[in-house]
Amino acid sequence: GQQLNQSPQSMFIQEGEDVSMNCTSSSIFNTWLWYKQDPGEGPVLLIALYKAGELTSNGRLTAQFGITRKDSFLNISASIPSDVGIYFCAGQPGTSGSRLTFGEGTQLTVNP
Amino acid sequence: NAGVMQNPRHLVRRRGQEARLRCSPMKGHSHVYWYRQLPEEGLKFMVYLQKENIIDESGMPKERFSAEFPKEGPSILRIQQVVRGDSAAYFCASSSRTSGGAYNEQFFGPGTRLTVL
Repeated sequence: GQQLNQSPQSMFIQEGEDVSMNCTSSSIFNTWLWYKQDPGEGPVLLIALYKAGELTSNGRLTAQFGITRKDSFLNISASIPSDVGIYFCAGQPGTSGSRLTFGEGTQLTVNP
Repeated sequence: NAGVMQNPRHLVRRRGQEARLRCSPMKGHSHVYWYRQLPEEGLKFMVYLQKENIIDESGMPKERFSAEFPKEGPSILRIQQVVRGDSAAYFCASSSRTSGGAYNEQFFGPGTRLTVL
């Protein structure tokens, strides 16, 4: 089945630093998504990417859909304590009505 | 407008018992997805349902697991004769009717944490 390799597994940074994480896949996805999960909660969508090469921002977050359709990265600039959580990439083969394949997550810790 | 509702939030069962997990999608959503998350892992797709239909159950274990989304009422994920390995967080997501082309976001519920003793 499809697999997503997400790295790094965890990051420990100081408040104000920038963060970068990425995902690679063995197969093509037509939609890439980035979610954040807080403890005891479900994932919340941060950014959705629909086209190869697309670069999209949401506040301090920027994500890109790789040209090959097999990778994506997420950058967080000027991190703050509330950025703490687990970040997941997810791929979807179609644009709607189909399963999401999730990466294993990046645990982000921000020290004040 | 309430989000995706799941209950119970926590469920404890002994080995061999049955677990029933409920999911009420967001208002106006007719597509429901179930995912399972083991500790320190990503979510794994289990099943995709529309009202009264199972669309994709390729992620469901072949035995003991079943899911339904009746015409009226919540979607139910049922696990019979639970074993310790079933302990996990089970998340439900819902999306609106597909309109072709545009992405219809899957909104996730808070999950049900199942513990099998």
